[in-house]
Amino acid sequence: DAGVTQSPTHLIKTRGQHVTLRCSPISGHKSVSWYQQVLGQGPQFIFQYYEKEERGRGNFPDRFSARQFPNYSSELNVNALLLGDSALYLCASSFPGSGELFFGEGSRLTVL
Amino acid sequence: GDSVTQMEGPVTLSEEAFLTINCTYTATGYPSLFWYVQYPGEGLQLLLKATKADDKGSNKGFEATYRKETTSFHLEKGSVQVSDSAVYFCALDYGGSQGNLIFGKGTKLSVKP
Repeated sequence: DAGVTQSPTHLIKTRGQHVTLRCSPISGHKSVSWYQQVLGQGPQFIFQYYEKEERGRGNFPDRFSARQFPNYSSELNVNALLLGDSALYLCASSFPGSGELFFGEGSRLTVL
Repeated sequence: GDSVTQMEGPVTLSEEAFLTINCTYTATGYPSLFWYVQYPGEGLQLLLKATKADDKGSNKGFEATYRKETTSFHLEKGSVQVSDSAVYFCALDYGGSQGNLIFGKGTKLSVKP
């Protein structure tokens, strides 16, 4: 069975540009969460979506936005990129009540 | 606010040594607690969890006990192997959301043969 898949795996952008990251959850999982992992740090929560509705938002600026589609896949958008947005962006999905998140391998964003 | 503090790394051990990685937390209410592991070149994966006080999570020889009185969830293994080399993250589930985890900074473990 396929795990959580994310695309692209690596990308390089310049300051001020926009980026869209994509995530496909495990089949049957309706909840998707996004995390930012800066090198040497633990993942930091950005968003959670469940049944296409935002259920939680971390302490990130409005430049960060996300959405979830009817097939439960999700996109994370970041506008007006800053150097500090360089990080590994992780997507995780879960089945309600399971108490376990399944993570993808992430999208590594470098902002120059 | 809620937070997780885990011991600084890196930790270097010889094969078959005993491992302890300390984790303490600050939280309102009674969160679920988790240990996630990130092997080189792979995504984060759940190692073990505990959902209430005095629960013991265990998996692959690793154990951790949810200690409410000391707000701790220390990870232990009696005999580490080279294949245990990875980064270990302690985390808590904020508000029972099951999607919003607060992670510690991670502890890198290297096991030498």
